[in-house]
Amino acid sequence: AQTVTQSQPEMSVQEAETVTLSCTYDTSENNYYLFWYKQPPSRQMILVIRQEAYKQQNATENRFSVNFQKAAKSFSLKISDSQLGDTAMYFCAFMKRGRGQNFVFGPGTRLSVLP
Amino acid sequence: DAMVIQNPRYQVTQFGKPVTLSCSQTLNHNVMYWYQQKSSQAPKLLFHYYDKDFNNEADTPDNFQSRRPNTSFCFLDIRSPGLGDAAMYLCATSREGGGVSGYTFGSGTRLTVV
Repeated sequence: AQTVTQSQPEMSVQEAETVTLSCTYDTSENNYYLFWYKQPPSRQMILVIRQEAYKQQNATENRFSVNFQKAAKSFSLKISDSQLGDTAMYFCAFMKRGRGQNFVFGPGTRLSVLP
Repeated sequence: DAMVIQNPRYQVTQFGKPVTLSCSQTLNHNVMYWYQQKSSQAPKLLFHYYDKDFNNEADTPDNFQSRRPNTSFCFLDIRSPGLGDAAMYLCATSREGGGVSGYTFGSGTRLTVV
């Protein structure tokens, strides 16, 4: 079974600064996907960024980028130029490739961006 | 825009009174999921449908049932809600086999049991 660990229950960052959220996972699979989802208070879960395990290049989406270390089973999220709207719970998630495969979520990191 | 819609956004029900939450999607995804999320916790999968095939998680209480009458709609029925069932309920969809697009989530229904 796969597990996902987020070792930082809460973090804070000053507006315009950079912050990195950690995620590690455990799997014996070789083909899988990794995701970061953002859930603002009382709002919808939104996909932030995704990574295919077979791709060595780290994914980037505007201010969001990941550091994917497959051998170390690490998938950290870097948020550059933090904005107040980035305040949210961030969930790291693992999905094995194939039919009927479900997400395994980490416990989440609550990020607060301070003005 | 293609999306996942959950109704109602907020639901208050009485202890022991059956309640139904609904989810619809315009994405034509063949997999639909129901998650329960309690405060400051990760979502917990209750069950999912792969087309019409129902897949229940081993630890989902019998109190929770689901129906999927067609591709677009999926319902969560709680037969006798208890105080411990108060939570946010999230519906999500995905394409066959999952894939790099991940899941698309609805806005959730926050259930209060009084």
